[in-house]
Parts: sequence; structure tokens; C-alpha cells
Amino acid sequence: DTEVTQTPKHLVMGMTNKKSLKCEQHMGHRAMYWYKQKAKKPPELMFVYSYEKLSINESVPSRFSPECPNSSLLNLHLHALQPEDSALYLCASSQGDNYGYTFGSGTRLTVV
Amino acid sequence: RKEVEQDPGPFNVPEGATVAFNCTYSNSASQSFFWYRQDCRKEPKLLMSVYSSGNEDGRFTAQLNRASQYISLLIRDSKLSDSATYLCVVNPARGSARQLTFGSGTQLTVLP
Repeated sequence: DTEVTQTPKHLVMGMTNKKSLKCEQHMGHRAMYWYKQKAKKPPELMFVYSYEKLSINESVPSRFSPECPNSSLLNLHLHALQPEDSALYLCASSQGDNYGYTFGSGTRLTVV
Repeated sequence: RKEVEQDPGPFNVPEGATVAFNCTYSNSASQSFFWYRQDCRKEPKLLMSVYSSGNEDGRFTAQLNRASQYISLLIRDSKLSDSATYLCVVNPARGSARQLTFGSGTQLTVLP
């Protein structure tokens, strides 16, 4: 299995809703990431998990809450989002130095 | 100065043409380098890693010049299916929690 699987593929949520994005990989990668990508912009790093511990939070607002239940799973809990949070949310994993990231196909989020 | 700079394009070339993309990076301690390809509304996909000795994969050739902090991607015999955004990506840190830095991307359209 050489894939990163993200669910759901599309999500529309209201500003008062709580929802979660899920990411799964079975490649044994020990680093996992959440990125946010707006149209015609490169991906922006949000969070990094290394060996299931949060190692980097790129000053992301607390309405985004990451969770790493085990080495294969990564969640992103969403609460009280704003319309400007609408974007493609990408999960990625990597196996170490000199290897690129493997990205999931992303969740396209629309906040209404 | 941006950490990773790319010419945003767009590059519009006819089928069969040779096209070259360039990228510069500011952190001289950067450890590894990649080219990613991203199709419209899809996730980035690793195209190739870039090594100091240069490397080739079919019609694609990547070069790294550490002294000039410069990376290039050459595409020969362009196909319609090569139309995409090409992202130059640099890993500035050594360690288990890697933080890839993305260029803003170069848009390529191959015309029939």
C-alpha cells in the first residue's frame, strides 16, 4: 500500500459546525503532516507529527485541532471555522531524509 | 527574499518542445530537493528527487547547483499530458520531522 487516504473528499460545513478530517497511511512512515492549499497558491504547512507527537504547529488558529491516534492515522478536528478557511486540506507522510512526501488526494472544504 | 523562488509562468509551449524551469533557494544548508507536479484541483505528486550529480527519468532531467543554490527541470518532447503546475520543493533541515518548503509553482500548458 503506497497511498495516503483522506476522507471525506468534499465537505461543506457551517460556521457553527464541528467536523473532522481523516488521514490514513500504511507505509510505516513516521512523519505525518497537514497542509492547507488555497487556489493558485502552494501548500502551506499547518502541523507536523513525528513519531505520533506534535512537533510543529505553524501558528495555526485553535479552531483547527490535530490528533494522531496512532502511527497510521491523523485527524484534523474543525470547529467554528470561518469562510476564509475554505481550501484544499492535504495530508502527507514521509519516511525520512532524502525522500519526498506522499500526499493524499485532499479534502476540499467549503465553509458557509 | 523568498526561501524558494520560481518563475510562475505561465509557460505555453507546443507539443514536442523542450521546456526548462528554474528555481533558486535561499538556505545554503538545504539538504534535499524535489520537483513535484500538481494537476488542477489535485494533490501534488512527486515527480523526481534532485541530486547534485543530476538525474534523468525518461524525458525529464533535473539538475542541482549547490554553489549557485539553483535547481532546474528540463522536459524534452513535451506531451499534452505534461500540462500542470510544477512545484520546486526544498528540505532545509536534517532530522525526522521534515519541513518541505514549496516554491509558488510554475504553470505549464502544452498546446496541440
